[in-house]
Amino acid sequence: GQQVMQIPQYQHVQEGEDFTTYCNSSTTLSNIQWYKQRPGGHPVFLIQLVKSGEVKKQKRLTFQFGEAKKNSSLHITATQTTDVGTYFCAGPGAGSYQLTFGKGTKLSVIP
Amino acid sequence: EPEVTQTPSHQVTQMGQEVILRCVPISNHLYFYWYRQILGQKVEFLVSFYNNEISEKSEIFDDQFSVERPDGSNFTLKIRSTKLEDSAMYFCASSVSVAGTGELFFGEGSRLTVL
Repeated sequence: GQQVMQIPQYQHVQEGEDFTTYCNSSTTLSNIQWYKQRPGGHPVFLIQLVKSGEVKKQKRLTFQFGEAKKNSSLHITATQTTDVGTYFCAGPGAGSYQLTFGKGTKLSVIP
Repeated sequence: EPEVTQTPSHQVTQMGQEVILRCVPISNHLYFYWYRQILGQKVEFLVSFYNNEISEKSEIFDDQFSVERPDGSNFTLKIRSTKLEDSAMYFCASSVSVAGTGELFFGEGSRLTVL
C-alpha cells in the first residue's frame, strides 16, 4: 500500500530560525495536503497542493510539491512560538477515499 | 464557523466493554470519517462513510468496529469489545468532497482509555 514518509521526526529550533519538514510518497500523488496539530489538539488543514512543481505561500509558510508529485516540503521562515506543533503531510491513496498521513514532524520553538 | 463536534471528550472503560463515540459532522458535508491516533503517533485512517454506507475501511477496522448514522446529524463509532490496544484518541472528520480532493475538518477528538 501507499506509504508517506516524513522527516525529521523532531525539530528543535531557536525562535527566529527557519524550519523545514519533508514528505515523500512511495507512489505518485494526485495532490498532497498539510495539516498542523497543536499539542493536545486536533489536525487542522493548512493547504492542498495539486500541480506538479506547485509552490504556495501563507505568510511565513512556504509549501512545495515536487515535479514528480512524489514529494513535498513545508518551510517556515523565522519561526515563532505559535508555530509549535506537529506538522503532517497527507496524500490520497490511488482510487481511495482515505488520506494516508505521514508520521509528522514535531516542531519545538525555544524562545 | 461550522465545526465537527465529538462526544465524549474522554471515556475510560474496562477491557471487553462496548464503547460508542459520537460525532456531529458539519451539516452540509457528505463524507464522514473516523481516524485514530495512538499517543504520540501518526493519524491512522479507520473508515470512511458516504451515502449511508461504508465506502472504505482500513485493516484496523475489524469486526469489533462498526459505524452508523442513526439520524440526519449524528455519526457514531462503536467498538464492540474493547481491547487495551484500542486506547487512543479517536477523531471524527467530515468533508464536502471526497477525501484527497479537499480539506478534512476534524473534531477535537474523543480520548479512549481502556483499562
